[in-house]
Amino acid sequence: AQSVTQLGSHVSVSEGALVLLRCNYSSSVPPYLFWYVQYPNQGLQLLLKYTSAATLVKGINGFEAEFKKSETSFHLTKPSAHMSDAAEYFCAVSARAGGTSYGKLTFGQGTILTVHP
Amino acid sequence: DGGITQSPKYLFRKEGQNVTLSCEQNLNHDAMYWYRQDPGQGLRLIYYSQIVNDFQKGDIAEGYSVSREKKESFPLTVTSAQKNPTAFYLCASSITGTGVHEQYFGPGTRLTVT
Repeated sequence: AQSVTQLGSHVSVSEGALVLLRCNYSSSVPPYLFWYVQYPNQGLQLLLKYTSAATLVKGINGFEAEFKKSETSFHLTKPSAHMSDAAEYFCAVSARAGGTSYGKLTFGQGTILTVHP
Repeated sequence: DGGITQSPKYLFRKEGQNVTLSCEQNLNHDAMYWYRQDPGQGLRLIYYSQIVNDFQKGDIAEGYSVSREKKESFPLTVTSAQKNPTAFYLCASSITGTGVHEQYFGPGTRLTVT
């Protein structure tokens, strides 16, 4: 079975500071990995996805994530935080074709990002 | 514009009543999903459907029911058997077949049962 752990339910940064949101996964084979963002009382929006084409994945709004197989991690970063980045962020994993969870997403608990002026 | 619509945005019901949440998509996706979101618990899968007239239970299906009579629609019924139905409900859809399956989400319905 696959699982996702997001370290830190709340992260607080100053505007202009580095954003680092941590995600570790557990899967028998390298999975597909995703980061989603959710603003209050809204649905989820895809930030970026890892499909094995490249280990460093660039997404929308200046975010990027690096897949590290040896560390089973897929941490999300942004060099300079903006006030509009304040939201909840979810890491998710999906098995590749042939896996028992193929097509299904397993989500982490979420990390709420607060950005201070 | 292609997308997923959920209605209503807010829903209030009395305990003991069944309630149906609507989800419609015009993305031509074969697969559709229902999630429940509670604070600090992430999203938990209730039911999913990969083709019309077929659906499977997710991790927390007890007290819920679904139907998939049309490709575009995947309504969720929260029955009186659901012990704690107050939550934020999210519908999603995706393509099927080989390759990555990112899911596209609707705006959600917040259900309050008193």
